[in-house]
Amino acid sequence: AQTVTQSQPEMSVQEAETVTLSCTYDTSESDYYLFWYKQPPSRQMILVIRQEAYKQQNATENRFSVNFQKAAKSFSLKISDSQLGDAAMYFCAYIPNFGNEKLTFGTGTRLTIIP
Amino acid sequence: DVKVTQSSRYLVKRTGEKVFLECVQDMDHENMFWYRQDPGLGLRLIYFSYDVKMKEKGDIPEGYSVSREKKERFSLILESASTNQTSMYLCASSLVTGGWYNEQFFGPGTRLTVL
Repeated sequence: AQTVTQSQPEMSVQEAETVTLSCTYDTSESDYYLFWYKQPPSRQMILVIRQEAYKQQNATENRFSVNFQKAAKSFSLKISDSQLGDAAMYFCAYIPNFGNEKLTFGTGTRLTIIP
Repeated sequence: DVKVTQSSRYLVKRTGEKVFLECVQDMDHENMFWYRQDPGLGLRLIYFSYDVKMKEKGDIPEGYSVSREKKERFSLILESASTNQTSMYLCASSLVTGGWYNEQFFGPGTRLTVL
C-alpha cells in the first residue's frame, strides 16, 4: 500500500522569507502524480501544485515550487516570499496513474506566517 | 469554476440519530469522494463513487453508507451516529481517474458533532 509521510506537523516562517515543507512517499509504481493541497482556516481546500513522476523538471507555480527527487521518493514544497495569506494546512498527496485509484494524503503541515 | 457545495457547514446530532450529509458538484464530474479529516490523521477516504449508482469502500467505511442516484449528488449516511464520528467531513469531485485530470475539487466541509 502506498503511504505519504509529512514529518513536520507545524512550521512557521517570517513574512517575506522562504520555507520548505517536506513530504516523502512510498510506492512500487513508476508512473504517478504528486500534489500539494492548501487548506486555509475555515476555507476550502485547493490545489497548489502538481508533479508528474515521469517529468524530471520540477513544477513551479508563481511563488510555489517543488523539489521532486524520484529515487529518494521525496516531494518537498518551497514557498518563496511568504505572505500572510499562505497561512494554512498543507497536504501532500499521491495517486498512481492507472485504474480506478484514489488519492493518498499525508497528515498535513500547519504553516504559520509571522508578520 | 468548479463548485462543490455541502449541505451544512456545522451540524450537531445526538447519538443514535440517522445523519445525512449532502454534496453537490456542478461540473459534470465522474468521480465523487467523501473524506473525514481529523487532527494528526490527515484526510481518510470513507467512500467514493466513479459513476451513478456505483460506490466503492475507502479506507474507513465502517459505520457509513453512501448514495449516488444522480451524477451531481453524493450523499454520506451515518445510519446510527456515534460520538467517535464527530469530525470534519469533506466532499470532493474529480473529472476522471488517472492521468492529468485527476485533480480533486473540494467542498467547504461539514463539521459534525455527535453528542
